Amino acid sequence: KAGVTQTPRYLIKTRGQQVTLSCSPISGHRSVSWYQQTPGQGLQFLFEYFSETQRNKGNFPGRFSGRQFSNSRSEMNVSTLELGDSALYLCASSNTGTSGGSYNEQFFGPGTRLTVL
Amino acid sequence: AQTVTQSQPEMSVQEAETVTLSCTYDTSENNYYLFWYKQPPSRQMILVIRQEAYKQQNATENRFSVNFQKAAKSFSLKISDSQLGDTAMYFCAFMKTSGTYKYIFGTGTRLKVLA
Repeated sequence: KAGVTQTPRYLIKTRGQQVTLSCSPISGHRSVSWYQQTPGQGLQFLFEYFSETQRNKGNFPGRFSGRQFSNSRSEMNVSTLELGDSALYLCASSNTGTSGGSYNEQFFGPGTRLTVL
Repeated sequence: AQTVTQSQPEMSVQEAETVTLSCTYDTSENNYYLFWYKQPPSRQMILVIRQEAYKQQNATENRFSVNFQKAAKSFSLKISDSQLGDTAMYFCAFMKTSGTYKYIFGTGTRLKVLA
């Protein structure tokens, strides 16, 4: 089974621009979560989508948004980029919340390294 | 709200020795899961070990074991016979068993295994 994939792997943007990151979950997984990882802050939860609906949301400003498609692929968008948005953005998929799901383990992608200049 | 605290930002251990990583959490829930994830340098995060709160027996996966103290809200990871490949960031995580299915991660412990 193919793992979680994220595109692009690296991205350089300037302040004020917007960016869209993509995540393809493991086949059959309906839950996709997004995290921002920065040194010293660990993983900060952005949001989780399940069956095209946002099921959970973290404490990030409205500039951060996401969506999920019918094939469970998910995109994350950041508008009006700020220097502080530079981070590794991780996507994780799981069967959590589905009957017979494989027990809450999250499977992570390699991440997208975003640099804002 | 739940919180997860890892108080050791960095640790090092000699190859073949044993090391323990600490994690404490705060919750009013009675049923939940706890996890340790490993993120090797420039590689994907993977699950190391998982513990269900209702189970009193500590989880074990080969050289990895946990010391789960529910009353103290403590969940430490012990790595025995440390290997160079254990060098990584280790994250402790919490998840309720019902409702929101949201993971809460700690800030991580960077472990370096020395040859």
